[in-house]
Amino acid sequence: DADVTQTPRNRITKTGKRIMLECSQTKGHDRMYWYRQDPGLGLRLIYYSFDVKDINKGEISDGYSVSRQAQAKFSLSLESAIPNQTALYFCATSDSLHYEQYFGPGTRLTVT
Amino acid sequence: AQSVTQLGSHVSVSEGALVLLRCNYSSSVPPYLFWYVQYPNQGLQLLLKYTSAATLVKGINGFEAEFKKSETSFHLTKPSAHMSDAAEYFCAVSKNTGFQKLVFGTGTRLLVSP
Repeated sequence: DADVTQTPRNRITKTGKRIMLECSQTKGHDRMYWYRQDPGLGLRLIYYSFDVKDINKGEISDGYSVSRQAQAKFSLSLESAIPNQTALYFCATSDSLHYEQYFGPGTRLTVT
Repeated sequence: AQSVTQLGSHVSVSEGALVLLRCNYSSSVPPYLFWYVQYPNQGLQLLLKYTSAATLVKGINGFEAEFKKSETSFHLTKPSAHMSDAAEYFCAVSKNTGFQKLVFGTGTRLLVSP
């Protein structure tokens, strides 16, 4: 089984709808991240969490919110989706001792 | 602030040829550096990392990278390309202390022709 899973893998939604992307991990890591990938722009950090009670904004948090329901679960919400939020979204995890991050398979979101 | 520049959004090589993907970084503190690979419809997979030990770092699938402080570079190389190496490659930098925020480059797509 994959260490970092994301659901759904693909989602098409309409402008103005609320949508939640979910991430779960079995790596036992305390740190979790949400990134957005756009062609030609690389990955940009949306939110990150050091533990259940510590959530921080990344460089592009406007229009997004997150919830850390447990150490292993980190959800990303779009309260009112807009077309320029169409992108590939990745969840990642890391521990506090090592610097590499481990990525989920991604969620492809299309907002029409 | 930290940043990464990857020269060339696309690199084409023939099977068996040398692979060279360029990465230059900017960091006000000693950096940690990473190369990730992304295969189609998959997440990012760590290829290798530099965390201030040996400057020549060996990774998976025959890739290696050399940290050159004087040139602020961390180029990725592989002596002989294989068709299965076709993917997108991302260089990333983080600080070597405190929060491990990764700053990614814009990626280089490697195309391998027979």
